[in-house]
Amino acid sequence: GAGVSQSPSNKVTEKGKDVELRCDPISGHTALYWYRQSLGQGLEFLIYFQGNSAPDKSGLPSDRFSAERTGGSVSTLTIQRTQQEDSAVYLCASSFGPTLYEQYFGPGTRLTVT
Amino acid sequence: AQRVTQPEKLLSVFKGAPVELKCNYSYSGSPELFWYVQYSRQRLQLLLRHISRESIKGFTADLNKGETSFHLKKPFAQEEDSAMYYCALRREYGNKLVFGAGTILRVKS
Repeated sequence: GAGVSQSPSNKVTEKGKDVELRCDPISGHTALYWYRQSLGQGLEFLIYFQGNSAPDKSGLPSDRFSAERTGGSVSTLTIQRTQQEDSAVYLCASSFGPTLYEQYFGPGTRLTVT
Repeated sequence: AQRVTQPEKLLSVFKGAPVELKCNYSYSGSPELFWYVQYSRQRLQLLLRHISRESIKGFTADLNKGETSFHLKKPFAQEEDSAMYYCALRREYGNKLVFGAGTILRVKS
């Protein structure tokens, strides 16, 4: 079946602009995660959704970062006033449930802030 | 807080040689440990998890709570094993994964 999809695959933006990254999880998966993969920081957790609620936002690096999930499906990660240090690959993952279940990862969105 | 350490950024071995990718963790509870693999131009995918106790693509990993380690091993490396390998931890009843920095495995012919 279809896996996790993310769009765009690549995004180049100017410093100070806002960007939106989209994630389509596997159908039926109630849990959704955002991670960031960068050269200096490795793979780090950003936020977790269960349904439309985000019980764990502890990884969001600043208040410029926000995310929402609607209809228990699609999620959008928004970065406002982008900075060069935001350049990274943003990965989305989904799982059937939060604990015990395997997380399936999307291909990622490569964000470059110039 | 949980932490995962992968001491080697790059591990280079010859085809047919044994491979051991090291992973140590710090967590006071009962963790769940995973190995994820990312082949070139492919997405991150689960290789194995300690609760499954299975061998995938010839790889095994044993959770050693005394040494807080979860090293990944394969007796005979193949060229197609070349990839980035991440060790990850999830605390009991937790949701998010905490990843190590990753180790690039290069298998030379």
